[in-house]
Amino acid sequence: EDQVTQSPEALRLQEGESSSLNCSYTVSGLRGLFWYRQDPGKGPEFLFTLYSAGEEKEKERLKATLTKKESFLHITAPKPEDSATYLCAVPGPSSGSARQLTFGSGTQLTVLP
Amino acid sequence: NAGVTQTPKFQVLKTGQSMTLQCAQDMNHEYMSWYRQDPGMGLRLIHYSVGAGITDQGEVPNGYNVSRSTTEDFPLRLLSAAPSQTSVYFCASRTASNQPQHFGDGTRLSIL
Repeated sequence: EDQVTQSPEALRLQEGESSSLNCSYTVSGLRGLFWYRQDPGKGPEFLFTLYSAGEEKEKERLKATLTKKESFLHITAPKPEDSATYLCAVPGPSSGSARQLTFGSGTQLTVLP
Repeated sequence: NAGVTQTPKFQVLKTGQSMTLQCAQDMNHEYMSWYRQDPGMGLRLIHYSVGAGITDQGEVPNGYNVSRSTTEDFPLRLLSAAPSQTSVYFCASRTASNQPQHFGDGTRLSIL
């Protein structure tokens, strides 16, 4: 059974204090990994897709990286507006070509001014 | 750009009542899904559809029904509400199985 584990569950940073969030997965044959951001009272918002080990994607202060066993979301010099819950997800085995996503429980990031 | 629209945003039901959560998307996406989100449990798949007329069960389908008569709409029906179904429900859509999903802003449902 595919599993996705995110750590830490919660992270508090001072503004400007860089850090990384972790997403580890156990899937047979990775078919991509997705990162989402979720603000309170809102649905998840897509950030990145990574398809192969060694791939990196960047957006403003965020950089996502992928290895064969895990993905990291690096946050450089975060600002209070980066506070949110960050979710990762992987597609499951092909079943009628649906490849539904398995989500991790998320990391709740708080950036203090 | 409306994207994925869910209604209602909030709902309170009594045990045993039935209701339908509405989901509509205007992006002509073939794939649509329903998730529930509970504290510490993450997003769990209830039902999904890969096109009009085609639906299938996800991880937690019991107590819920779906249908997909059009590409745009994917309603979720609670047959007989139970307190365990208190949750936040999200609808999502995507163009293909390897593409990211677009989510609505959710329906917050409380069952008393």
